[in-house]
Amino acid sequence: AQSVTQLDSQVPVFEEAPVELRCNYSSSVSVYLFWYVQYPNQGLQLLLKYLSGSTLVKSINGFEAEFNKSQTSFHLRKPSVHISDTAEYFCAVSSPTGGYQKVTFGTGTKLQVIP
Amino acid sequence: KAGVTQTPRYLIKTRGQQVTLSCSPISGHRSVSWYQQTPGQGLQFLFEYFSETQRNKGNFPGRFSGRQFSNSRSEMNVSTLELGDSALYLCASRLDNDYGYTFGSGTRLTVV
Repeated sequence: AQSVTQLDSQVPVFEEAPVELRCNYSSSVSVYLFWYVQYPNQGLQLLLKYLSGSTLVKSINGFEAEFNKSQTSFHLRKPSVHISDTAEYFCAVSSPTGGYQKVTFGTGTKLQVIP
Repeated sequence: KAGVTQTPRYLIKTRGQQVTLSCSPISGHRSVSWYQQTPGQGLQFLFEYFSETQRNKGNFPGRFSGRQFSNSRSEMNVSTLELGDSALYLCASRLDNDYGYTFGSGTRLTVV
């Protein structure tokens, strides 16, 4: 069985400050990892993903995440946040199960950017 | 190309009634999944369909059911609605060989 842990339910941070949203996973097989973002009253949007290759993956809006196999982590970082980054962020893990990829989401972290 | 379309966006129903929600995936996406999102429970997986077959199901009572049509459009049905069914219901589609979901904007169901 696989699981995802997002320890921080809320993270307040001042505008232009750096932020790290933590994600740890558990799985007995190789996994693919994702970060999704959800703005108020909207569905989730895929922010970035790790499938294979370079362990550092980046999004078009300045976020990046690093896959750390030994620590089973996939933390999301941004060096300087903007007000528009205020949203809820979900980490997800995907692994092969019975011939298809089963996806498990974390409980989400609400990022609040303070002006 | 068009995104994932969910209809209706908002719905108000009375306890005991039933409801059907619709989801049209991105063209070419054969996998459709449904999630229930509430403030208390977060995102909870309902079921996934692929080529008209349910291939995974979450831990929800039998009142929750779904189906997928030959054009990949999917519907989910909730019978005998309870107050606790009030939630945002999200549909997501993906290519079977691409592991990221594209989500719709959701249907906000309120049971009164």
